[in-house]
Amino acid sequence: DQQVKQNSPSLSVQEGRISILNCDYTNSMFDYFLWYKKYPAEGPTFLISISSIKDKNEDGRFTVFLNKSAKHLSLHIVPSQPGDSAVYFCAASYNAGNMLTFGGGTRLMVKP
Amino acid sequence: EAGVAQSPRYKIIEKRQSVAFWCNPISGHATLYWYQQILGQGPKLLIQFQNNGVVDDSQLPKDRFSAERLKGVDSTLKIQPAKLEDSAVYLCASRAFPTSGGNTGELFFGEGSRLTVL
Repeated sequence: DQQVKQNSPSLSVQEGRISILNCDYTNSMFDYFLWYKKYPAEGPTFLISISSIKDKNEDGRFTVFLNKSAKHLSLHIVPSQPGDSAVYFCAASYNAGNMLTFGGGTRLMVKP
Repeated sequence: EAGVAQSPRYKIIEKRQSVAFWCNPISGHATLYWYQQILGQGPKLLIQFQNNGVVDDSQLPKDRFSAERLKGVDSTLKIQPAKLEDSAVYLCASRAFPTSGGNTGELFFGEGSRLTVL
């Protein structure tokens, strides 16, 4: 039972364009959502988060949008840079941030 | 600030052998997690400690996996006996205890220990 799903295993975009990574969840108890970025042979690193009381959170080139009614969130990267090439994991929690449930990840490739 | 330290980085064993992984969290972080990440999948929580007590181990295969966090700092994860399907990266993560009203949810991950079972 996958409670957090990332349906696109990979995404390729041109440098300078927008990258949009999507994530769907099924558990309506989730109240906090995070995006993590992972380079090969490294552990995931925190990128950006959003509480369920908000519908948008922005940090520089990264913006996360939350649509609670659709149980959907997305990460927008504008403009995309080659250094953004990595695997992006969506994660959700409902217990004060404890016990994150991760999606399967989306591999982003930004071409110069 | 030093990050989460894990060792060994790589381990190759044969099935039915045993293996142990070590984790040293960020200083002062009360909460420690072990995640299993199988190739092509997202990390899956195995066990969560709060100080030296277990908060959740519902997804830990207790017939072969064990974990401890003595003195509420370092932690070890052991697999005995290993199976082919245990081949994965074992990630340790830590998190500061959330302050009142706070909920950062941010976990800090180590680089992981990659296990290959032949």
